[in-house]
Amino acid sequence: AQKITQTQPGMFVQEKEAVTLDCTYDTSDPSYGLFWYKQPSSGEMIFLIYQGSYDQQNATEGRYSLNFQKARKSANLVISASQLGDSAMYFCAMRERSNDYKLSFGAGTTVTVRA
Amino acid sequence: NAGVTQTPKFRILKIGQSMTLQCAQDMNHNYMYWYRQDPGMGLKLIYYSVGAGITDKGEVPNGYNVSRSTTEDFPLRLELAAPSQTSVYFCASTGSDSYEQYFGPGTRLTVT
Repeated sequence: AQKITQTQPGMFVQEKEAVTLDCTYDTSDPSYGLFWYKQPSSGEMIFLIYQGSYDQQNATEGRYSLNFQKARKSANLVISASQLGDSAMYFCAMRERSNDYKLSFGAGTTVTVRA
Repeated sequence: NAGVTQTPKFRILKIGQSMTLQCAQDMNHNYMYWYRQDPGMGLKLIYYSVGAGITDKGEVPNGYNVSRSTTEDFPLRLELAAPSQTSVYFCASTGSDSYEQYFGPGTRLTVT
């Protein structure tokens, strides 16, 4: 069964606007972590933000915030004030404590920021 | 700190050839991982290690082998390369007291 589902293959967003990238996950482990990575066209994996399953508040890192809805098993990434440099592929990933901290990745969402 | 390093950056192999992708980390991390990423797709786990001397299969281990003789190094061996192994390979590491998984820059491998 798919552990991480990203249903948006591609999205367009206007510069300076906000964009929300969807991610749902599936686990029975009470201890898990959710990640978002950015992969620009140069290919490297850039860590953006992390949310632990026991964290009470939604994670934020600069213009990135994670909308964590535990009961719905969703972990959407919100990018505020989009910039041209935000154009990239974005991956949601999960690791479970019971699974040797291995990461399970979604298929990714391509974001294109328009000027 | 260098973080996670991978060599080579690019490689072209002929069908049936073998090669080793090198991965090293200088953060004293217990956990190391090898992923592959096919075009337009997410990453899939090939092999991983929870410490020196301990390795285990991931989701797509066929055609690969690994070893972990030291904490720092985690080479990935391809025997009898096939076109289906054309991919970008990422090595990553994490510590048991850290949540972030640190990725190397990747190796782009083409098998023709």
